[in-house]
Amino acid sequence: NAGVMQNPRHLVRRRGQEARLRCSPMKGHSHVYWYRQLPEEGLKFMVYLQKENIIDESGMPKERFSAEFPKEGPSILRIQQVVRGDSAAYFCASSPQSGTGIEKLFFGSGTQLSVL
Amino acid sequence: AQSVTQPDIHITVSEGASLELRCNYSYGATPYLFWYVQSPGQGLQLLLKYFSGDTLVQGIKGFEAEFKRSQSSFNLRKPSVHWSDAAEYFCAVGPMDSNYQLIWGAGTKLIIKP
Repeated sequence: NAGVMQNPRHLVRRRGQEARLRCSPMKGHSHVYWYRQLPEEGLKFMVYLQKENIIDESGMPKERFSAEFPKEGPSILRIQQVVRGDSAAYFCASSPQSGTGIEKLFFGSGTQLSVL
Repeated sequence: AQSVTQPDIHITVSEGASLELRCNYSYGATPYLFWYVQSPGQGLQLLLKYFSGDTLVQGIKGFEAEFKRSQSSFNLRKPSVHWSDAAEYFCAVGPMDSNYQLIWGAGTKLIIKP
């Protein structure tokens, strides 16, 4: 049973380009969560999605960032017109359903975004 | 303000030696407390958690942690480390009613000397 898969592992973009980060949840999981870890800081919650729905986006920056989790395919975190401050590790987690406790939250290995 | 502090960015320990990783938190309500580990190339894995009851909790891979309310601490310990314990360790606190709104420390990278 494959775990949470994130790709790419490393992504390099120049300022002004777009970054697309992908997350495939564990089999049977319908909830996806995105987190960002800036250098020397802890993970920060960004957004929580179910299939085709955004449940909680309270941690998402208001501009340039968007997320989706379509009926088919992986969840995508999209960052438009990247800036150097977007350089960070982006982690995805998935769970089978909401309210099942932290034990049911499984994390991917992250995507390291570097903006030149 | 709610926060988690892991004061040591890096710690180097000889194989077979004991280990203690520090975690201090500031949280208004009764917290749930967690330790996660990220081995190279792997996702974050839950090591152990504290919800209530016995303040000394046992986790996987021989780790334990002790909750000290008076010190707002939740330090992680292992009596004898193995080379495979080399990883980054994260402490986190969270509310009782959410499984994803955790507040995370910045992590401590554990280096094992042969």
